Amino acid sequence: SQTIHQWPATLVQPVGSPLSLECTVEGTSNPNLYWYRQAAGRGLQLLFYSVGIGQISSEVPQNLSASRPQDRQFILSSKKLLLSDSGFYLCAWSATGRDTGELFFGEGSRLTVL
Amino acid sequence: GQNIDQPTEMTATEGAIVQINCTYQTSGFNGLFWYQQHAGEAPTFLSYNVLDGLEEKGRFSSFLSRSKGYSYLLLKELQMKDSASYLCAVKDSNYQLIWGAGTKLIIKP
Repeated sequence: SQTIHQWPATLVQPVGSPLSLECTVEGTSNPNLYWYRQAAGRGLQLLFYSVGIGQISSEVPQNLSASRPQDRQFILSSKKLLLSDSGFYLCAWSATGRDTGELFFGEGSRLTVL
Repeated sequence: GQNIDQPTEMTATEGAIVQINCTYQTSGFNGLFWYQQHAGEAPTFLSYNVLDGLEEKGRFSSFLSRSKGYSYLLLKELQMKDSASYLCAVKDSNYQLIWGAGTKLIIKP
């Protein structure tokens, strides 16, 4: 069966510090991968998605970046965090070629920037 | 612009029935999803509708009317564990998911 894990689950970072969130998927190959951010009272905001190794599409210009060094690994990074980067970050995957395109989410990472 | 509307919060009684509505205005339509999200956790898939009509899955049912840009999620025999946020999402013409802000459902004994 397929599983998705992301870490860390919780982190508190000072403004200006770097960030690295990691996500891995097991039990499937060539998944579509996504990074979302969820702010309180607002819908999920798509940050990045990837259809293959090294292929990253950015939806929102910001100081975040994403990389996909391996087929089932997706990393969200920042060189210098801003207060506005605080939020709940979710990694997700979907299978290519499926009609529904259902998303499967990781456990989430809650980031607080102070 | 693209827009998904759903009520911010609803309250219902254990054992009762509740209907959560979702209206959408998107550039194209390639399916509508409902997800459940407990506080502090990730969303989990509940249902998918791409054709008009009702899809039933146990205590949960989802309805779609494409001509009206409208869907609802119906929860029967409510249990305390159903207290959660329910997210409506529409896949647009580019197959990108547009998400509503979610409806927080509070179940009272």
